[in-house]
Amino acid sequence: EDKVVQSPLSLVVHEGDTVTLNCSYEVTNFRSLLWYKQEKKAPTFLFMLTSSGIEKKSGRLSSILDKKELFSILNITATQTGDSAVYLCAVELGTYKYIFGTGTRLKVLA
Amino acid sequence: SAVISQKPSRDICQRGTSLTIQCQVDSQVTMMFWYRQQPGQSLTLIATANQGSEATYESGFVIDKFPISRPNLTFSTLTVSNMSPEDSSIYLCSVESGDYGYTFGSGTRLTVV
Repeated sequence: EDKVVQSPLSLVVHEGDTVTLNCSYEVTNFRSLLWYKQEKKAPTFLFMLTSSGIEKKSGRLSSILDKKELFSILNITATQTGDSAVYLCAVELGTYKYIFGTGTRLKVLA
Repeated sequence: SAVISQKPSRDICQRGTSLTIQCQVDSQVTMMFWYRQQPGQSLTLIATANQGSEATYESGFVIDKFPISRPNLTFSTLTVSNMSPEDSSIYLCSVESGDYGYTFGSGTRLTVV
């Protein structure tokens, strides 16, 4: 059975801290891995990763994929209260077919 | 990427009633997708809606409970029928956006009392 597991389930940090969120997967067919930020209801796109070892960056956020060990990490440096959200990882299995993890709930305290 | 307007944003409904959720996309798309996110859970695909044909439902979801319409390439509705408290969830429509994965609508938070 295909599955995507995220850890930790929740995390509380203080502003300025650096956090690392984990996403591991076991799937029969892998096309890409995506990270989303869900603040209220609608997830918003952060990164799509298809190749191992190539870091993607956007401001204070970065992500990397390891297709050998079947995981990805999302790093957030110098966290701000606006980073508080649920971070979702999803694996694309095929055309129009995605499986989502349950997410990591991040709370950043001022 | 596409912009999706979804409504209602939230609703509180009595058990046994039905609610229809609408999604309007600002561009023509072949496929639209409907997801459910139960409290504390991941996103689960309900069905895929293709214009001009019946929706394709995932295991565990049936048309009688979640009828879907797709009258044209920019619009879709999902109805949650004969609701029970277990239907309390966030419902999301989405379209595929190439290198951006999915673009999601703003979501509908449904509470059934």
